[in-house]
Order: sequence, then structure tokens, then C-alpha cells
Amino acid sequence: NAGVTQTPKFRVLKTGQSMTLLCAQDMNHEYMYWYRQDPGMGLRLIHYSVGEGTTAKGEVPDGYNVSRLKKQNFLLGLESAAPSQTSVYFCASGDRPGANVLTFGAGSRLTVL
Amino acid sequence: EDQVTQSPEALRLQEGESSSLNCSYTVSGLRGLFWYRQDPGKGPEFLFTLYSAGEEKEKERLKATLTKKESFLHITAPKPEDSATYLCAVQAGGSARQLTFGSGTQLTVLP
Repeated sequence: NAGVTQTPKFRVLKTGQSMTLLCAQDMNHEYMYWYRQDPGMGLRLIHYSVGEGTTAKGEVPDGYNVSRLKKQNFLLGLESAAPSQTSVYFCASGDRPGANVLTFGAGSRLTVL
Repeated sequence: EDQVTQSPEALRLQEGESSSLNCSYTVSGLRGLFWYRQDPGKGPEFLFTLYSAGEEKEKERLKATLTKKESFLHITAPKPEDSATYLCAVQAGGSARQLTFGSGTQLTVLP
């Protein structure tokens, strides 16, 4: 039972390049989230999905796009990477009524030069 | 806008020295307050959910409590393996059920 798996774990990009981060969960969860974590700023929500085929903007969505074509997968795309997008990205999923406990992946460290 | 403030930012304790971490919050319609533990290079790991003022939860050396404005994570007789960053988060009402996080308290327990 893998839980939430993120790929890749590390990536270095040049300014202007594009890439996609993949999140896969095997718990049949409806809700999925992408957060970024920067020193001193905690985890901030980028985009989220409340079910297959749905996506919505979070607190810091600019410069990112997402897709949820399959229930188990949530993709985060950077069309034209900028140094400000250097961060650690975490995917999470959850599916409980009431308070929704989230399960997180191990993170993807992205550096944009 | 939901807000979560954690203090202190960092805390160093000697093994066996008990202390508390604070999480102050403002949220419209609290659905739950969460505590997570995060080890270096890993994702946050769930510890507790608290739902209403007066509630307490315990797990080994950790006890979480909740009032209408803040939560405390009490650490009794800590060990070096308790060293980690402890994150507090709130979940408000609404369909998205996302968490709003504080910036965390980095705890170091010295042997």
C-alpha cells in the first residue's frame, strides 16, 4: 500500500522550461491537493481537486496548471518556469466526511535556475 | 481569511525537559484543527485532529488540546527521536476541505 507517490523527487530546470509533476494515490480518495513549502512560509495551497475531472485554484495558483483526468492521478504543470517557483512541492489526498485528514507524499524538490 | 500562527519558531530542549508548542488560529466555521509532524526531507505525517474547544488527544509523549482561539501541543519527557517540525493546520467549512497551515515549530531534543 504505497499511499501517495510523487514523481520526480528532484528536478532542476532553466528559466522558461516546462515540466509536469505527477501525483498518484492508491486509496481511492476523492480530494487531492498540491501545496508548495518555502522556508518560513509554511505550506501554501496551489490548486486542488474535489473529484475526477474537477480542479480549482488555491491560494497561490499563478504560473501553475493542473489536471485530474483519472481519479488516482493529479498532475501539476509549470508552462514557463521562473526562479520564484523554486520550492518543495507536496501532493496530498483525503476522503473523509467532516474533518478531512490528508495524507501527504514525500515531496518533489524543484530548482529553477 | 483563515490564519494560523505557530510559536515559537524553534525550540531546543534537553531530553526529559517537558514543554508546549502553541498554535493560534482564526477561522470561519472550524471543521477541525490538525497537528502534523514533518521530518527533514519527508512529507507531513498526521498526528491528531481536534474538533471542538475542550477536546484533548494523546499519543505517547504528545498531548494536544484545543480552545476557541488556540491549540497546544504538550510534549512530556521528550526523547531525541521527537525532534522534528510540528505543523498546525485548520480546516474550515466548505466543499474543498483544504488545510491552512502555520509555518511550524522546529523542535530539537538534545540527548
